[in-house]
Amino acid sequence: DGGITQSPKYLFRKEGQNVTLSCEQNLNHDAMYWYRQDPGQGLRLIYYSQIVNDFQKGDIAEGYSVSREKKESFPLTVTSAQKNPTAFYLCASSKVLDANEQFFGPGTRLTVL
Amino acid sequence: GENVEQHPSTLSVQEGDSAVIKCTYSDSASNYFPWYKQELGKRPQLIIDIRSNVGEKKDQRIAVTLNKTAKHFSLHITETQPEDSAVYFCAASRGPTGGGNKLTFGTGTQLKVEL
Repeated sequence: DGGITQSPKYLFRKEGQNVTLSCEQNLNHDAMYWYRQDPGQGLRLIYYSQIVNDFQKGDIAEGYSVSREKKESFPLTVTSAQKNPTAFYLCASSKVLDANEQFFGPGTRLTVL
Repeated sequence: GENVEQHPSTLSVQEGDSAVIKCTYSDSASNYFPWYKQELGKRPQLIIDIRSNVGEKKDQRIAVTLNKTAKHFSLHITETQPEDSAVYFCAASRGPTGGGNKLTFGTGTQLKVEL
């Protein structure tokens, strides 16, 4: 289960606070992704990045921000503007040259108190 | 953008029976179709994938079929076992062309294999 890690496993946040979720990979993948998973809704793409210092919005980017300063790292910040942040957050990475398998991290479960 | 629909949302089978999960997609430019298995509280893991130049692919008890004309693809699990119980997700992607390898996921199928 090595290769892509996320921390923390569980995160609790008070309303109005920003929180940052960590995602690191040592697979030498160029592309990284953040998904949100809610019951009955599958995985929805928040942001993705194909190369260092570049990223694009996914389908539900509002209230989230990311950075990609290093190839290995793609942190996600959940801002206070996200109205319903309680969810399971999954990070993934893949090669970029062809359609390829995305490898997922173990996830972070965020709960807003 | 791409839209992927998945059916059924829940599926219960007896051990040893077959299970079939179906997905349809909307974007005719999609060319990569993976299936992921997610056990409770764990990360999704790829179990099989198919590319648009192939109509069927098999790996032991698992097979996937693709009908590009109808824009649907299916997962077939034969001789089901209790450890097959999990949530299964289909997905579709255009690959790197015009999409950055983005995956659009179906809403998942909870498969339960009963003894």
